[in-house]
Amino acid sequence: KQEVTQIPAALSVPEGENLVLNCSFTDSAIYNLQWFRQDPGKGLTSLLLIQSSQREQTSGRLNASLDKSSGRSTLYIAASQPGDSATYLCAVRGTEYGNKLVFGAGTILRVKS
Amino acid sequence: DAGVIQSPRHEVTEMGQEVTLRCKLISGHNSLFWYRQTMMRGLELLIYFNNNVPIDDSGMPEDRFSAKMPNASFSTLKIQPSEPRDSAVYFCASSLGAGGSTGELFFGEGSRLTVL
Repeated sequence: KQEVTQIPAALSVPEGENLVLNCSFTDSAIYNLQWFRQDPGKGLTSLLLIQSSQREQTSGRLNASLDKSSGRSTLYIAASQPGDSATYLCAVRGTEYGNKLVFGAGTILRVKS
Repeated sequence: DAGVIQSPRHEVTEMGQEVTLRCKLISGHNSLFWYRQTMMRGLELLIYFNNNVPIDDSGMPEDRFSAKMPNASFSTLKIQPSEPRDSAVYFCASSLGAGGSTGELFFGEGSRLTVL
């Protein structure tokens, strides 16, 4: 059974810091990994999708890497801003388990101004 | 594109009542996923469809829950009878393809259900 773990569970940083969110998964047989952002009371917004054949994806100040063999992904946020405050979730789509997207519990990020 | 559209956004009902949640997929998408989110359990996949066919409903809690896709762009999730422990935010998500697809998943804004 695929299990996804996100560390840390919560993070509070001052504005302007570069930060890294971690995601690990137990089964490396995956099709892709997706990072989402969720604001309070809102749905999930897709940030980055990394296919299993890719090593990283970038969008603006966000960079996500994938090391499939070690079962790890990181989301790097450069020059953090108060508007980045949200819960960040990673999700893995496996080649088994009915191709379900399995979610981690998320990292709650607070960027202080 | 309008994105995944869910209704109602909020529903408050009494125990024993029937609840119907609705979802409209993004145009052109053919995979539909229903998730439930609670503080205790996080995001749980309830059921997903590919090309209108239910592929995996192992996450559906019990027989009180049922989901349908009457057509390629619309789905309903029904709870009958509802219980207080069903209180949660229910999300619908869609993507293009499944079963080996590399499709990105897009979520609706969710339906917040409170059962008194």
